[in-house]
Amino acid sequence: DIQMTQSPSSLSESAGGRVTITCRASQSIGSYLHWFQQKPGKAPKLLIYAASNLQSGVPSRFSGSGSGTDFTLSIGSLQPEDFATYYCQQTYSSPFTFGQGTNLEIK
Amino acid sequence: QVQLVQSGAEVKKPGASVKVSCKASGYSFTAYFLHWVRQAPGQGLEWMGWINLNTGGTSYAPKFQGRVSMTRYTSFTTAYMELTRLTSDDTATYYCARVMTAPQSADSWGQGTLVTVSS
Repeated sequence: DIQMTQSPSSLSESAGGRVTITCRASQSIGSYLHWFQQKPGKAPKLLIYAASNLQSGVPSRFSGSGSGTDFTLSIGSLQPEDFATYYCQQTYSSPFTFGQGTNLEIK
Repeated sequence: QVQLVQSGAEVKKPGASVKVSCKASGYSFTAYFLHWVRQAPGQGLEWMGWINLNTGGTSYAPKFQGRVSMTRYTSFTTAYMELTRLTSDDTATYYCARVMTAPQSADSWGQGTLVTVSS
């Protein structure tokens, strides 16, 4: 199985700030990497697909980059609604594993 | 609009089976795959497998192979996930999610179904 490792596991930042979350795959996955946001008690929401493509309806302050084994999700000018847990997922090879999640909290 | 509506919460005893449904609307049902993902309380997301809603073909994560079955009833635009031989470790919220053939990103999700396994 491909292991997905996110860092950090948690972070705190102020509203208006900028954060970057990284996701590393245990082997090359091309651009088959997606980012999700999840709020407590809710289903995950797709933010970025295929490493760098913004899902329709997602604000442009979210961006993704990377290919191969190293990927990043950046959120600029944090809004109150952005404080949530973020997951990466690879769909290069089954089983389609998720990272362990990054909990973004308000500072 | 695209909607995936899942069946309600379940309480099961160890050793029993559970079957969760996922009713799709607002799009061409057979043009997509469906993934099933679960989340134990306070834990991360765990991918279980997918079903091709056109052909009925499936692929399951090795962890669940032999215990999970994913099916669909195209006439009712509904998919099902059945998990057998339940243990307390299967207590989780189970999600269905719509996925395009490539790059298999899950762009719409059901609301989740909580399955509690307890004696």
